Amino acid sequence: GQQLNQSPQSMFIQEGEDVSMNCTSSSIFNTWLWYKQDPGEGPVLLIALYKAGELTSNGRLTAQFGITRKDSFLNISASIPSDVGIYFCAGPYNNNDMRFGAGTRLTVKP
Amino acid sequence: SQTIHQWPATLVQPVGSPLSLECTVEGTSNPNLYWYRQAAGRGLQLLFYSVGIGQISSEVPQNLSASRPQDRQFILSSKKLLLSDSGFYLCAWSVLGEVPFAQYFGPGTRLTVL
Repeated sequence: GQQLNQSPQSMFIQEGEDVSMNCTSSSIFNTWLWYKQDPGEGPVLLIALYKAGELTSNGRLTAQFGITRKDSFLNISASIPSDVGIYFCAGPYNNNDMRFGAGTRLTVKP
Repeated sequence: SQTIHQWPATLVQPVGSPLSLECTVEGTSNPNLYWYRQAAGRGLQLLFYSVGIGQISSEVPQNLSASRPQDRQFILSSKKLLLSDSGFYLCAWSVLGEVPFAQYFGPGTRLTVL
């Protein structure tokens, strides 16, 4: 089935730095979703993208739907300690089968 | 507004014992419901989904089963747990609405099988 590959696997950054992470697939997706998971909790939806080339922001977060429809990017500007967590990309394989990447684990040092 | 509950929050069970995890959703009708498992440091694996009462689709063959006895209730069960069943179990819901394909997750149940 369709797999999503996220990179980097983990990031250690200083508070105030910007962060970039991406998600790629060998197959085309028509929707990309980005989630954040805090330790011990369920993932929370951050941004949803539905159109190739689309750029959508949610506060300090900006996500882009790649032109090829095989990738997506998430950027976090001016990171703060509460940005710590695991960021997942996801895309629907069909209406009810959502595929998730393995996640990017973000650590922010104060 | 919609809320989703899962219980218990944590569970430690011996190998071979039965399992029952419950998920309920409030504030929405006829949701699609999902069970995922997350192994330590890994992504989410879809186990089951349901589009209505009594309708269950299984994505991965295993010793787990799911049931949907009521519109907003989804139960994950096992007759005999294996060590490999340990993990973080997440329930999620979705409906046709403003955010297509979006799924909303519960707080999860951490299961340890010893």
